Amino acid sequence: DAGITQSPRHKVTETGTPVTLRCHQTENHRYMYWYRQDPGHGLRLIHYSYGVKDTDKGEVSDGYSVSRSKTEDFLLTLESATSSQTSVYFCAIQTSGSSEQFFGPGTRLTVL
Amino acid sequence: AQSVTQPDIHITVSEGASLELRCNYSYGATPYLFWYVQSPGQGLQLLLKYFSGDTLVQGIKGFEAEFKRSQSSFNLRKPSVHWSDAAEYFCAVALTSGTYKYIFGTGTRLKVLA
Repeated sequence: DAGITQSPRHKVTETGTPVTLRCHQTENHRYMYWYRQDPGHGLRLIHYSYGVKDTDKGEVSDGYSVSRSKTEDFLLTLESATSSQTSVYFCAIQTSGSSEQFFGPGTRLTVL
Repeated sequence: AQSVTQPDIHITVSEGASLELRCNYSYGATPYLFWYVQSPGQGLQLLLKYFSGDTLVQGIKGFEAEFKRSQSSFNLRKPSVHWSDAAEYFCAVALTSGTYKYIFGTGTRLKVLA
């Protein structure tokens, strides 16, 4: 357990509404990542952060934004949710001096 | 472009039988390679990793994997499967430039018959 929590764990929302998912870590790791998991695609990187206020895009960043104002929190925002964003979202941290990533429990998001 | 291929979407084995899950990667440099396991409704747990050195690496839960540069492969093995090994398994490559962005394979779902 790398001290990662995600909230909410489940969310159902409607198309066009904004949604924010939160990832919280307790161990001051510098690198944090957001992935989405979809059947037949494995996990795909949405955005990542390499420090407070330092973020960059991943493979599937369209329609998503992120913010990191504190080391411990990495927020993923869907400005206007679409049905194609129905997915399971995982946050991950990378331990210092290592390339290993450890994953949170995930958030299941359904956009109706 | 970098990619990871897991050719088997589903595999079924009997309890006690041996297991091999295949993973092939496409990456110009020597990659960092990982295997993760995901039980239903759970997050991903790291099974093992390869960075350099001995090409046969041992992981948790009795799993091992062998890196074969000539075949661009990193196959996961277990000599005797237990019913609790039923899960989905993901192979991943870490891109070593800057932050370690991972590329995941599409996963192999393992079913274990009693």
